[in-house]
Amino acid sequence: EAGVTQSPTHLIKTRGQQVTLRCSPISGHTSVYWYQQALGLGLQFLLWYDEGEERNRGNFPPRFSGRQFPNYSSELNVNALELEDSALYLCASSPVRGKLFFGSGTQLSVL
Amino acid sequence: KQEVTQIPAALSVPEGENLVLNCSFTDSAIYNLQWFRQDPGKGLTSLLLIQSSQREQTSGRLNASLDKSSGRSTLYIAASQPGDSATYLCAVSLYSGGGADGLTFGKGTHLIIQP
Repeated sequence: EAGVTQSPTHLIKTRGQQVTLRCSPISGHTSVYWYQQALGLGLQFLLWYDEGEERNRGNFPPRFSGRQFPNYSSELNVNALELEDSALYLCASSPVRGKLFFGSGTQLSVL
Repeated sequence: KQEVTQIPAALSVPEGENLVLNCSFTDSAIYNLQWFRQDPGKGLTSLLLIQSSQREQTSGRLNASLDKSSGRSTLYIAASQPGDSATYLCAVSLYSGGGADGLTFGKGTHLIIQP
């Protein structure tokens, strides 16, 4: 069974640009979570999507947004990139009331 | 707000030693606690999950204990090997599954096992 897949694996952008990260959950999982892991800051909760709806978001500015599609895959969009957005972005999926499974992440570098 | 603390932040030991990693959390009303392993620049691999009603879980050379009332968990690694070198993360969930904000993570213990 395929795990959580994220694309791209690495990305380099410049300040002010916009970026879209993608996540495909494990088949049958309806929830998708996004986390940011910046150097020295640990994993910070970004967004939770379930059944196509945004259910909760962490303490991040509105330029971080996303969506979940009918097939439960998800996109994370970041507008007006800033240097401090450089981080590993991890996606996780879970079934209803189930354990979270993580993808390998997208490493974003903002120059 | 739930906060998770991991001690030590870094640890370097010779191969073969048994070692203990510590995790503490401020809100004892957790649903479960998980230990993860993360290799540099990579995603997370779940090692052990302990439900709030359980006291410990074992997998091979790994044993995790949970004392919910005191807000503490330990990960015991027996007979450490160089391949165990990684960052170990502790995370708690307040809800069944991920819930409102998924998991709350500690900052991790960076472990180096010297050959």
